[in-house]
Amino acid sequence: GAGVSQSPSNKVTEKGKDVELRCDPISGHTALYWYRQRLGQGLEFLIYFQGNSAPDKSGLPSDRFSAERTGESVSTLTIQRTQQEDSAVYLCASSFNPTGPNNSPLHFGNGTRLTVT
Amino acid sequence: GDSVTQMEGPVTLSEEAFLTINCTYTATGYPSLFWYVQYPGEGLQLLLKATKADDKGSNKGFEATYRKETTSFHLEKGSVQVSDSAVYFCALRYRDGGYNKLIFGAGTRLAVHP
Repeated sequence: GAGVSQSPSNKVTEKGKDVELRCDPISGHTALYWYRQRLGQGLEFLIYFQGNSAPDKSGLPSDRFSAERTGESVSTLTIQRTQQEDSAVYLCASSFNPTGPNNSPLHFGNGTRLTVT
Repeated sequence: GDSVTQMEGPVTLSEEAFLTINCTYTATGYPSLFWYVQYPGEGLQLLLKATKADDKGSNKGFEATYRKETTSFHLEKGSVQVSDSAVYFCALRYRDGGYNKLIFGAGTRLAVHP
């Protein structure tokens, strides 16, 4: 497809289980971001991949969270031993690597709504 | 560190009213500024952007001007419609080492009534 694709769109899991969320970025986009959006709140940065460089993991809230991306393709965000406070919409976004410093906009997926019961 | 602050919502307006949603930022370098919009049931999408001081971004009747002297990027529209009801996010993008950081404000919900 033409846009950023995320799956699943909805996930309900029991506390303590592991979950894996998937993001397919737009073809050719070298930058990929994961954000978390809790109900009624803004976007919280989690992790950023840029090409084959080391990812910026500074936003990951705990060591239960991890993400991988192979090259410039699919990314997976894994949450281990889920807790109720992990319930949120997890958003993925991708963009071209800007040749200038800052001016390539992000294209967002529709997100995965995670509910931990 | 760099940050973005938006006016709190919700903002409730009648159709054809004038809209302003305030956004201010703090940044050490020369960021680019964006407004993203999230319509009900949809993903975030870029509304407009400005990459340097005094630039004006515009789209769908919305405008925002990058004001370095007041570190602001307020969103305006002269006459809102019911279809503009959404959550609006101000965002700032800057370089930090080798990374392109993109941070968002908390979002402002706009409700437009007929």
